[in-house]
Amino acid sequence: DQQVKQNSPSLSVQEGRISILNCDYTNSMFDYFLWYKKYPAEGPTFLISISSIKDKNEDGRFTVFLNKSAKHLSLHIVPSQPGDSAVYFCAASGDTGFQKLVFGTGTRLLVSP
Amino acid sequence: DTGVSQDPRHKITKRGQNVTFRCDPISEHNRLYWYRQTLGQGPEFLTYFQNEAQLEKSRLLSDRFSAERPKGSFSTLEIQRTEQGDSAMYLCASSYDPDTQYFGPGTRLTVL
Repeated sequence: DQQVKQNSPSLSVQEGRISILNCDYTNSMFDYFLWYKKYPAEGPTFLISISSIKDKNEDGRFTVFLNKSAKHLSLHIVPSQPGDSAVYFCAASGDTGFQKLVFGTGTRLLVSP
Repeated sequence: DTGVSQDPRHKITKRGQNVTFRCDPISEHNRLYWYRQTLGQGPEFLTYFQNEAQLEKSRLLSDRFSAERPKGSFSTLEIQRTEQGDSAMYLCASSYDPDTQYFGPGTRLTVL
């Protein structure tokens, strides 16, 4: 049972344009959401997070939007840069007492010059 | 702050052998997590420590797997009698109480 879903396995964007990565979840007990970026042969790198009490969080070029009624979140990257090319994972926590992260399957972003 | 470190980065072993991985968390982080990632999947939770106490284990963690965190510092993950299905990236993460988890570079295990 996939509680966190990233339905787009890949996304291609031109440099300078906006990248939008989507994530859906099914567990209404989740109350904290994170995005991680992963390069090959490396561990996930934390990008940005959002608590369920907010609907938007911004950090530089990265903005995460949360729609609790739709159980949907998205990551916007503006402007996209070639160095952003990586696999992006959405993760959620909150249905346990110890912040176990439940990950989606990832979206591979390719930003071309 | 040097981040989470893991050793070794790569391990190739033959089926039936035992392997041990080490994770050094960010200093002052009291929570430590192990995850496993296979090709095409996101990381999956294996086990969790708060200080030296192992408080949760996933059903993915069969009795061939054991993890320790002596003195609440570094942690080890041992796999006994490895099987080809154990081939994966083993990731360690740490956090200070309920907060963002920071991951290490992982240990890539290949079981021949």
